Amino acid sequence: AQKVTQAQTEISVVEKEDVTLDCVYETRDTTYYLFWYKQPPSGELVFLIRRNSFDEQNEISGRYSWNFQKSTSSFNFTITASQVVDSAVYFCALSPDNYGQNFVFGPGTRLSVLP
Amino acid sequence: DVKVTQSSRYLVKRTGEKVFLECVQDMDHENMFWYRQDPGLGLRLIYFSYDVKMKEKGDIPEGYSVSREKKERFSLILESASTNQTSMYLCASSSPGDWRQKEAGYTFGSGTRLTVV
Repeated sequence: AQKVTQAQTEISVVEKEDVTLDCVYETRDTTYYLFWYKQPPSGELVFLIRRNSFDEQNEISGRYSWNFQKSTSSFNFTITASQVVDSAVYFCALSPDNYGQNFVFGPGTRLSVLP
Repeated sequence: DVKVTQSSRYLVKRTGEKVFLECVQDMDHENMFWYRQDPGLGLRLIYFSYDVKMKEKGDIPEGYSVSREKKERFSLILESASTNQTSMYLCASSSPGDWRQKEAGYTFGSGTRLTVV
């Protein structure tokens, strides 16, 4: 069975602080995809990143970076120099390689960035 | 701009009513999904459809049904709404053909916040 755990329910930081959102996953598949989505107050889930299980390179995109470690089944997300606009709920998700028919989402982490 | 459109942003219905939540996508995607989002539980899959008139149960199908008469439209039906179905409902779509080539995975609608009183 697949499972995604996001142990942090809510995080509050002050603007310009760095913050890391944790994601731990469980799967027996050898090929799978990991995702991060952002859900701002408007409600729509916005895609941030996708990683396949064979690519453990860390990714940096502007203030966002991701650390994928298969050895610990983790796919953590760091926001550097956080901004108020980063306030949202962030979901980590896992999908087997079956053409997108099964996603498993974590419970989400609500990030509040205070001015 | 391609998108998934959910017809209602907010709905308030009475217990026992039959409720229809509509979702339309303009990307010619084969797969469509209905999720329910509750605090602390993340998104849970109710039903999905991989083709017109096809449907598969997700993790929590009880109390719900779906209809997919056209490729672009996927409807979620609450046969007799109950208060424990008060939630945020999210529709999503994806294409098997794009799955390995395109990064975004699912495309989501903005959600329908349903309150059953």
